[in-house]
Amino acid sequence: DAEITQSPRHKITETGRQVTLACHQTWNHNNMFWYRQDLGHGLRLIHYSYGVQDTNKGEVSDGYSVSRSNTEDLPLTLESAASSQTSVYFCASSESPTGLRTYEQYFGPGTRLTVT
Amino acid sequence: QKEVEQDPGPLSVPEGAIVSLNCTYSNSAFQYFMWYRQYSRKGPELLMYTYSSGNKEDGRFTAQVDKSSKYISLFIRDSQPSDSATYLCAMNAGGTSYGKLTFGQGTILTVHP
Repeated sequence: DAEITQSPRHKITETGRQVTLACHQTWNHNNMFWYRQDLGHGLRLIHYSYGVQDTNKGEVSDGYSVSRSNTEDLPLTLESAASSQTSVYFCASSESPTGLRTYEQYFGPGTRLTVT
Repeated sequence: QKEVEQDPGPLSVPEGAIVSLNCTYSNSAFQYFMWYRQYSRKGPELLMYTYSSGNKEDGRFTAQVDKSSKYISLFIRDSQPSDSATYLCAMNAGGTSYGKLTFGQGTILTVHP
């Protein structure tokens, strides 16, 4: 079955360190997204990609970067981790626009990141 | 002001109750409306999907959209303990923003036996 996986599931790091969170999907979806989830804020979009070599900033992109070298993967990098980036991070994917189902996003299980 | 507002609750109801979850929004361009369900320590999963105004029913779940009031609702009939989760509304304007969803804060629901 197709799926979307994230690794690691839990990560503790120190302030100032570079951290990379992995996201891998086997849906063959063109669209991929990174969100963070914090109490009181719901899901906020960090970065997104509509295809290989395409990346775009979301509403909370400062301090984060992504790169898309193939269809399956969209790693999220925290350049210099800060305590404000302690959060749960979700990766999601969706298919290219071919109808209403375009807007359905499939989510990974999340990565819980703690920055000390 | 957030584009999408959702009462975070928490909401606690007895088994069998009718549950009403709501979101309001300010962006009149939103055309696609979704409800996601998220169990504890899991990723969200799509529950209901509606285009434009109207009602949609799926088993015990009914989604309503009132674009004139910028208000959407999710009703759960005969609620079960297994419905205990966080419910997130999400919206999309279509067109060039086809991939991007704007989420509400999520409502934490507990159904107790």
